[in-house]
Amino acid sequence: DVVMTQSPDSLAVSLGERATINCKSSRSVLSNSNNKNYLAWFQQKSGQSPRLLIYWASTREFGVPDRFSGSGSGTDFTLTITSLQAEDVAVYYCQQYRYVPYTFGQGTKLEIK
Amino acid sequence: EVQLVETGGDLTQPGGSLRLSCAASGFNVSDIYMSWVRQAPGKGLEWVSVIYAGASGGAYYADSVKGRFTISRDNSKNTLFLQMNSLRAEDTAVYFCARALSDSGSSWGQGTPVTVSS
Repeated sequence: DVVMTQSPDSLAVSLGERATINCKSSRSVLSNSNNKNYLAWFQQKSGQSPRLLIYWASTREFGVPDRFSGSGSGTDFTLTITSLQAEDVAVYYCQQYRYVPYTFGQGTKLEIK
Repeated sequence: EVQLVETGGDLTQPGGSLRLSCAASGFNVSDIYMSWVRQAPGKGLEWVSVIYAGASGGAYYADSVKGRFTISRDNSKNTLFLQMNSLRAEDTAVYFCARALSDSGSSWGQGTPVTVSS
């Protein structure tokens, strides 16, 4: 199985500052056939269902604010939140969907400093 | 508007069975891949199963549930199912169904809780 490892496990950032969450896969999730990275990012606020933020490693889902961006390729990926807002407090998960079983990272808890 | 409503979660004993349902509206469950994801109390997300679109849509499972869980759909009822047999304590979780889990137009239900305990 592909192991997804996020860092850090938790993060505290001041309002208006940048938050960066990393995700590393144990195997490349880049497809040679379509040159796409099968990597998604989800946000889960307390007591709520998860929400897709980013797919194909860098494509923002409709309705997601442009302060959220995804980058990376192969085995190393990053979710960046520029100008952190109070409503961004949540747990963030990466997920690979290149290989079954489709695996999630352990999650990164983002709080306000 | 896309909506997913899970039902069927309950308290059951180890070795028991449950059938979860996910009623969909605003789209056809036969037209797009559907998934189940679970979250144990205080833990992270765990992918459980996926069923792909079309009449011959393949189904895949996490190793932890393979041989015990079966994903299916009833197109006439526009509903996704998860049949769970030989339940274990470690299957205790909130179970979410999701439309197009990792793709444009992704949508999740509110989840249904399953507790396996004697």
